[in-house]
Amino acid sequence: GIQVEQSPPDLILQEGANSTLRCNFSDSVNNLQWFHQNPWGQLINLFYIPSGTKQNGRLSATTVATERYSLLYISSSQTTDSGVYFCAVGPNQAGTALIFGKGTTLSVSS
Amino acid sequence: DTAVSQTPKYLVTQMGNDKSIKCEQNLGHDTMYWYKQDSKKFLKIMFSYNNKELIINETVPNRFSPKSPDKAHLNLHINSLELGDSAVYFCASSLRREQFFGPGTRLTVL
Repeated sequence: GIQVEQSPPDLILQEGANSTLRCNFSDSVNNLQWFHQNPWGQLINLFYIPSGTKQNGRLSATTVATERYSLLYISSSQTTDSGVYFCAVGPNQAGTALIFGKGTTLSVSS
Repeated sequence: DTAVSQTPKYLVTQMGNDKSIKCEQNLGHDTMYWYKQDSKKFLKIMFSYNNKELIINETVPNRFSPKSPDKAHLNLHINSLELGDSAVYFCASSLRREQFFGPGTRLTVL
């Protein structure tokens, strides 16, 4: 099955810093999503991005499907950005399960 | 509010008991899922239902039985609970590929 690797596993930042999170996957996918799991355990959809680039406020994401990786950029980080960021991918059909990476744990201090 | 909802949010029970977790979505999606998040925060698919039909059944003990009374509901029944069943269980739904998650149910087996 598809393997999903995220890096770095842990990241500690000062408020205001920028960061880049990476997701590598081992096979072709038609679904790639980034999630933020906040300290209360909720999984928040950040991006649905099987290819291309998207931006939403201070967050942006890029997926290069042909090279099997995706990047999540966080600019001007805030303490509320703390939590675990998951990349999840799905094979080439609708209704199939997401395969999750192990996540990047981000801690932002003021 | 349009969303995926789960009840209960917390469930504490004794080994050997039987319990159910309910999931409802009002997004008009036709596919629903159950994922399990273990103590190391790793998320893994358990079941997937499309239009009330089971389409994914990962290697899950047969003590776990999903039930979908209609397209908007997917319940998870667990028999003879074991200590190792302690985890957070997430319900999700999708129409095409992008999946949306419920708030999770934290199950603790004593």
